[in-house]
Amino acid sequence: GAVVSQHPSWVICKSGTSVKIECRSLDFQATTMFWYRQFPKQSLMLMATSNEGSKATYEQGVEKDKFLINHASLTLSTLTVTSAHPEDSSFYICSARDQALAGGPSEQFFGPGTRLTVL
Amino acid sequence: AQSVAQPEDQVNVAEGNPLTVKCTYSVSGNPYLFWYVQYPNRGLQFLLKYITGDNLVKGSYGFEAEFNKSQTSFHLKKPSALVSDSALYFCAVRDMRAGNNRKLIWGLGTSLAVNP
Repeated sequence: GAVVSQHPSWVICKSGTSVKIECRSLDFQATTMFWYRQFPKQSLMLMATSNEGSKATYEQGVEKDKFLINHASLTLSTLTVTSAHPEDSSFYICSARDQALAGGPSEQFFGPGTRLTVL
Repeated sequence: AQSVAQPEDQVNVAEGNPLTVKCTYSVSGNPYLFWYVQYPNRGLQFLLKYITGDNLVKGSYGFEAEFNKSQTSFHLKKPSALVSDSALYFCAVRDMRAGNNRKLIWGLGTSLAVNP
């Protein structure tokens, strides 16, 4: 149980294009999903918290107009990198919390990550 | 301020020897602590968590962690390391401040290398 998938696992795009990354909880419902960015040999940087049915909460310094987050259902959140540039190249990871355990301090379940390369 | 520190960037240990990956935290109130492991080009896998109860928490793959309130530490341990344990390990504590969506505060990670 508690499986989170991400699609695509890797993507290469040209500068100026937009890229959408999907995060799905496969066997549980998640009212809250988190989007992280990870640079090589570095820790996770939380970009935003995605809440089903409401606007995402962005961390300080993260451009909400550049990194569009949509949490359309209890099992799907999407991150769209708009007008991507080479500096947006990174490893993007999502995680989700099980709604059934929302009242307690449950762990986050992570997707396998998406490697974005912008040429 | 709430924070997590992993003082070692890298830990090297011989296969079969015990291993320890250190973590200290600073948080208001009772901490909720987590350990995750990341293999190359993969997402994170949950290892174990401390919420309350016994200070020694047992988790996946033979790992355990000891919660020490007086030292504000939550070190990850394993009695006998395997080469396959080589990975990046992250310690995290739940942000206890109101309105923070129960997000996690992450350490910078410790790279564990187990040598055959």
